[in-house]
Amino acid sequence: GAGVSQSPSNKVTEKGKDVELRCDPISGHTALYWYRQSLGQGLEFLIYFQGNSAPDKSGLPSDRFSAERTGGSVSTLTIQRTQQEDSAVYLCASKSRGGETQYFGPGTRLLVL
Amino acid sequence: QQQVKQSPQSLIVQKGGISIINCAYENTAFDYFPWYQQFPGKGPALLIAIRPDVSEKKEGRFTISFNKSAKQFSLHIMDSQPGDSATYFCAASISGTYKYIFGTGTRLKVLA
Repeated sequence: GAGVSQSPSNKVTEKGKDVELRCDPISGHTALYWYRQSLGQGLEFLIYFQGNSAPDKSGLPSDRFSAERTGGSVSTLTIQRTQQEDSAVYLCASKSRGGETQYFGPGTRLLVL
Repeated sequence: QQQVKQSPQSLIVQKGGISIINCAYENTAFDYFPWYQQFPGKGPALLIAIRPDVSEKKEGRFTISFNKSAKQFSLHIMDSQPGDSATYFCAASISGTYKYIFGTGTRLKVLA
């Protein structure tokens, strides 16, 4: 079946603009994660959604970052007033309830000029 | 206490050699330790995972060795191939929770 998909695959934007990144998880997966991967760095946890529960937003680096998940499926990560330090690969992963394996999408490569 | 420390940061191995990547953790509540493999331009994918009730798990050329008392675990890639060139991440989590703590990654290059 289809894996996790993310769009766009690449995004170049100007400092100060807003961007929206989209994640389509594997069908039926109730858990969804967003991570940020900076060049040469590990995976920085941003936010976690599980079903209809309140999301864990503890990893969001500033109030310019927000995310929502509509209908328990598609998720959108929004970065407002982008800064150059926001340049990174943003990865989405999904997981089934009770499962332990996270399935990652290919990521969105964001470059803020 | 939530950190997972991974080393080395980068590794170059000759084809046919053994690649070894190490990780250490502090939180003794961790009970699930996966390794992820990431090729350039792709997302990480689960490679192999272990629980602390066993000291070793082998899948093909990939082996995890686990030392519970030392709070360390390592990935061994036997007969390393150029196609193994990728970034490898270790991780740790507590069963029943959702938080995964990832290591900082090891960039492996296998020379032909």
